[in-house]
Amino acid sequence: NAGVTQTPKFRILKIGQSMTLQCTQDMNHNYMYWYRQDPGMGLKLIYYSVGAGITDKGEVPNGYNVSRSTTEDFPLRLELAAPSQTSVYFCASSYPDRLNEKLFFGSGTQLSVL
Amino acid sequence: LAKTTQPISMDSYEGQEVNITCSHNNIATNDYITWYQQFPSQGPRFIIQGYKTKVTNEVASLFIPADRKSSTLSLPRVSLSDTAVYYCLVGPGNTGKLIFGQGTTLQVKP
Repeated sequence: NAGVTQTPKFRILKIGQSMTLQCTQDMNHNYMYWYRQDPGMGLKLIYYSVGAGITDKGEVPNGYNVSRSTTEDFPLRLELAAPSQTSVYFCASSYPDRLNEKLFFGSGTQLSVL
Repeated sequence: LAKTTQPISMDSYEGQEVNITCSHNNIATNDYITWYQQFPSQGPRFIIQGYKTKVTNEVASLFIPADRKSSTLSLPRVSLSDTAVYYCLVGPGNTGKLIFGQGTTLQVKP
C-alpha cells in the first residue's frame, strides 16, 4: 500500500496565483486532515473531513478551501496565494471507528509564495 | 479539547535515557494520549499511545499517572538518529479536530 500520497512535493507560486494541493490515501480511512507547518514551528490544523461530503474548519482555515467528493481524495485549494501561506503542508488520514485512532501522514508539499 | 504543554527543547547524549513530559490538565475521560515523532522534511509518525498506567513497545515507553493530567514519553538509550521533534497529542480520535502542541525538539549529541 502507498499510504498517504501528496503531490506536488515542491511548488513556487506568485502572489495572487491559485493552486490545488492533492492528497490521496489507499487505506480506506474515513477521516482526513490538512496541516501546515511554518519553519521551526508546530503543526496547525487547516481543515479536516470525517467522511465524503463532510468538511470542517480547523485552527487556520482562512485563505483555503477543501472538498471531499470521495473517500480517497482530499484536495486543498489556495485561491489567491499570499506570502503568509509559504509553508510545508501535510495531509493525514485515520480510521474513524475508535476513540484512540492514530494519524498517518504524507510526505508533505513545500510551498513558497513569492 | 485538552491543551498540551511540553518543554520546547531538550538535549541528551547517546546511550542515555530521555524522558519528555507532557502536561494536559484538562484531559477528558474519553481522551487518549498519543506521541508522534517528526524528522526534518518529513511528516510526523506514530510512536506510542496510551490511556492509563504504562505502555511499552519496541521504540518507547509511556507512563501515565492515575490522575492522567500528565504523561511521560521515555526513550531508552537514545542514539543520534533519535534527534527529532516529539509531539504529545491528547484527544478522542473520532472527533476529527486533532490539535498539535508546539512539540519538544530533542537534540542527541555524540
